[in-house]
Order: sequence, then structure tokens, then C-alpha cells
Amino acid sequence: GENVEQHPSTLSVQEGDSAVIKCTYSDSASNYFPWYKQELGKGPQLIIDIRSNVGEKKDQRIAVTLNKTAKHFSLHITETQPEDSAVYFCAASSGGSEKLVFGKGTKLTVNP
Amino acid sequence: EPEVTQTPSHQVTQMGQEVILRCVPISNHLYFYWYRQILGQKVEFLVSFYNNEISEKSEIFDDQFSVERPDGSNFTLKIRSTKLEDSAMYFCASLRSGASNEQFFGPGTRLTVL
Repeated sequence: GENVEQHPSTLSVQEGDSAVIKCTYSDSASNYFPWYKQELGKGPQLIIDIRSNVGEKKDQRIAVTLNKTAKHFSLHITETQPEDSAVYFCAASSGGSEKLVFGKGTKLTVNP
Repeated sequence: EPEVTQTPSHQVTQMGQEVILRCVPISNHLYFYWYRQILGQKVEFLVSFYNNEISEKSEIFDDQFSVERPDGSNFTLKIRSTKLEDSAMYFCASLRSGASNEQFFGPGTRLTVL
């Protein structure tokens, strides 16, 4: 079955710096890769996603890149702000209604 | 904005007891899921549910677990005889349709088995 690895497990940056979180997946049938943000006491919330027919997607300060050949995808956050501090999860699925397979999460801390 | 809700937020139970975790998915969604997260570990898939039946279940989802959609709004996860290792955060999620991708997650129920 699918296995998703995520690095780093913790990341601390200064406000205004960029943050990059990387994930790899194992199943070439996976074609949907969402990123979720989880704040304390809340459930995961989708922040951006990408399908395998696209190499990059951007939404304001957040971007995701996908290298299908290498089976890895990354989350890029630019101009980080303290409110970006949270746990970020990557996930993979074969799309549609299929289950999500999650990475272990990255705790991002943005220091003012 | 519509959201998935879960009750209770925290459930403490004794080993061997039955628990029912409740979820109200977003009203026009058709697919429902349960995931769990043991402290410090990955969010793991438990079960998916569509058209009043289980679509897929993981190895974790053994005979002690069951799901039900008793009415048009609730989606429940029952653990018949809880074990210490069932202690985790349980998340419910829903998906609008098979053509969509975004699963919306609830805030979770923290289950503590003593």
C-alpha cells in the first residue's frame, strides 16, 4: 500500500523567512496530493492541493510542487507569519473518494 | 461556512467499555470517513462509508469497530470493547462527491482509555 514520508518533523523559522516541507510517496497510482494545516484543538484543514497532471500550484504565499518521476512533493510558504505556526500534514491518494494516506506531520514555528 | 462537527470533544472510558463517537458531516456530502491519530503518530485511515455501506476499511478496523449512519445527519463510530491502545484522537471527515477531492475534517474526539 501507499506510504508517505514527511520531513522535517519540526521546523523553526523567523518571521518573513520561507519554509519548505517535503514529502515522498511510494505508490505510482497516487494522483492527488493535499496539504493540511492543523491548529491546536482543531481538525486538519486543507490549505492547498495538487493533482499529478500539474507540476506546480500557487495560492498567494503558499505553493506546492510535484515531481511525479521522483515521487516527491513539497510545500513552500513564503513571507511566513506567526499565524502560520501549526502542524502541517501532507497526504496522498489515488483521487476521488479514495482514502488519504498521511505523512507524520511537520510542526512549524514562526518566531516573531 | 458548513463544517463537520464531532461530539464529544473528549471521552474518557474504562478498558472493556463500549464507546460511540458521533459526527455530523456536511449536509450535502455523500462520502464519510473515520481516521485516527495516536499521539505523536500519523493520521491513519480507519474506514470509508458510502451509500449506507462500508467502502473500504483498514487493518485497524477489526470486529471491535463498527460504523453507522442511523439517520440523515449523524455518522457514528462504535468501539465495542475498548483497549488501552485505542486511546487516540478520532477524526471524522466528509466528501461532497466522487468527482471532488477535498475531504473536510471535523475537530476530532480525543478518546482516553484507562
